[in-house]
Amino acid sequence: NAGVTQTPKFQVLKTGQSMTLQCAQDMNHNSMYWYRQDPGMGLRLIYYSASEGTTDKGEVPNGYNVSRLNKREFSLRLESAAPSQTSVYFCASSEGRTKISNQPQHFGDGTRLSIL
Amino acid sequence: GNSVTQMEGPVTLSEEAFLTINCTYTATGYPSLFWYVQYPGEGLQLLLKATKADDKGSNKGFEATYRKETTSFHLEKGSVQVSDSAVYFCALSDFISNFGNEKLTFGTGTRLTIIP
Repeated sequence: NAGVTQTPKFQVLKTGQSMTLQCAQDMNHNSMYWYRQDPGMGLRLIYYSASEGTTDKGEVPNGYNVSRLNKREFSLRLESAAPSQTSVYFCASSEGRTKISNQPQHFGDGTRLSIL
Repeated sequence: GNSVTQMEGPVTLSEEAFLTINCTYTATGYPSLFWYVQYPGEGLQLLLKATKADDKGSNKGFEATYRKETTSFHLEKGSVQVSDSAVYFCALSDFISNFGNEKLTFGTGTRLTIIP
């Protein structure tokens, strides 16, 4: 019963390095999301994918790219890491494909990323 | 735009005390409202939800009522336990695509500590 799995759990990067955060879900969900969590600011949406093959910007997309590799996997890439991207990153998924506004999102355990 | 204002923490209570965490929102239309809980080192988990005015969401002894007249969704529990220690997030949903995807707007979170 894995749900949403994120890797890695922790990572330290130097400014300018690149890396990809991985996310996979086993619930056959159509929609997937990437959030960042910063102290005192709640969670903010970076990018989302309504369904396999589509991606769209959220509230804070600058400095990030995403790939919806298949229905299960949705990766987040930092091309040139900056200290302002130090945060905890959460991936989430939901069923999507319905206009009923009450679908819960299921979250992974997060990736704690530090940029020096 | 939409926003969620949540009671600032941290909140410290003794076991068996009554809990209220205040949440008010600003939104156009009729969003769904959620409470998520985050235990240490884990991702967010849906605690309860309400999809329309006067709905009451409940789970694990927690309750919240969707009050349209006061734009509020306060979280309550009659008798808290040490195991309730966590960070609690109030959130509202907003459609962001024709696929029924929802952008969750989060409050800043309230850290709750229950002492024996």
